[in-house]
Amino acid sequence: QSALTQPPSASGSPGQSVTISCTGTSSDVGGYNYVSWYQQHPGKAPKLMIYEVSKRPSGVPDRFSGSKSGNTASLTVSGLQAEDEADYYCSSFAGSSNTVAFGGGTKLTVL
Amino acid sequence: QLQLQESGPGLVKPSETLSLTCTVSGGSISSSDYYWGWIRQPPGKGLEWIGRIYYSGSTSYNPSLKSRVTISVDTSKNQFSLRLNSVTAADTAVYYCARRKGGSYYLDYWGQGTLVTVSS
Repeated sequence: QSALTQPPSASGSPGQSVTISCTGTSSDVGGYNYVSWYQQHPGKAPKLMIYEVSKRPSGVPDRFSGSKSGNTASLTVSGLQAEDEADYYCSSFAGSSNTVAFGGGTKLTVL
Repeated sequence: QLQLQESGPGLVKPSETLSLTCTVSGGSISSSDYYWGWIRQPPGKGLEWIGRIYYSGSTSYNPSLKSRVTISVDTSKNQFSLRLNSVTAADTAVYYCARRKGGSYYLDYWGQGTLVTVSS
């Protein structure tokens, strides 16, 4: 069982927006601004999309945004495109174990 | 452009030791700004943090694997390595190496991953 909880699936039509949640505790998501999000296409390595809750690495489209409220972080993908169809994983520093925790992943389908 | 490449046996027998090496190119593993980590992903499942190492040799491991894991670094070869002993079928996974930003906890560069199967 993953330390962080994500919905197993999410979907949206091209051009729409979709938000994926990531719920933890005050010992991880809620306690630190070290939430990151990764995109993974089938057979590929994960790719960093958001770090430190809401920062975007160079080259990541601004259609991807992150936020946090309490113990829940969120990834929003606006203006959905076919290439956004992938698995998305959240991650956070977990202070109780001084390690990195991942969510179980959310499969995003573009209808 | 920084690149990471995992290497090692793709098949390991139960109870034996899994050994993988990550070779870093396009940058120095001795940079004080970064840590170097291992992550695994069982087939069809999610990501699991294994642990990380600093160029000085300082390590931190996932408590659930700590008793079986050793991560080491060879700065002269720009490589770091993973050893996982007493493996079982549950350790079958794609193993990734990655770079973690110091002072934060995000992984900005990943290797392509290597599948390790535990089977007799």
